[in-house]
Amino acid sequence: AQSVTQLDSQVPVFEEAPVELRCNYSSSVSVYLFWYVQYPNQGLQLLLKYLSGSTLVKGINGFEAEFNKSQTSFHLRKPSVHISDTAEYFCAVSAQGAQKLVFGQGTRLTINP
Amino acid sequence: NAGVMQNPRHLVRRRGQEARLRCSPMKGHSHVYWYRQLPEEGLKFMVYLQKENIIDESGMPKERFSAEFPKEGPSILRIQQVVRGDSAAYFCASSPFGGTLSNQPQHFGDGTRLSIL
Repeated sequence: AQSVTQLDSQVPVFEEAPVELRCNYSSSVSVYLFWYVQYPNQGLQLLLKYLSGSTLVKGINGFEAEFNKSQTSFHLRKPSVHISDTAEYFCAVSAQGAQKLVFGQGTRLTINP
Repeated sequence: NAGVMQNPRHLVRRRGQEARLRCSPMKGHSHVYWYRQLPEEGLKFMVYLQKENIIDESGMPKERFSAEFPKEGPSILRIQQVVRGDSAAYFCASSPFGGTLSNQPQHFGDGTRLSIL
């Protein structure tokens, strides 16, 4: 079985500051890793995914994440945030070959002007 | 360019009533997934269906919950005799074919917010 821990439930930052949202996972098998964003009253939108290859993954809206196998982490970063990045961010894993996603508890990113 | 359509967006039921949540997958998608998001929590997998088949229902509560995806029409998640603890957002996702998540990313709907009075 897989599990995901998002270490921060809320992260407030100032506009144009950098941000890192932390995600750790556990699994006894190889996994795929994902970050999703959820804007208020909307569904989830895929930001980026790690399947294999380069451990640095670039996604939409200027976000990137780095897969660290030894630390079982997949932290999400953005060098300069905007007000429009205010949302809930979910890290998710799936066992390779599986269909279902296992989500973390989410991190609420709040951008202050 | 319709995405995954869920209706209703909001549903209010009294304890003991039935709730029916509908999900129309993206055009060309024949695989549907249901997830539940309890307040202040992440999404939890409930069930994975293909047309007329339940593939994985390992996340479904043993009682009162059922899901179907008929040959024609939307997928339905049905909750009988609802209780306060069923209050949550229910999300549907779809993908075009079988296979792994590597080549078949799931596209999510905007969810149904179920409130139990």
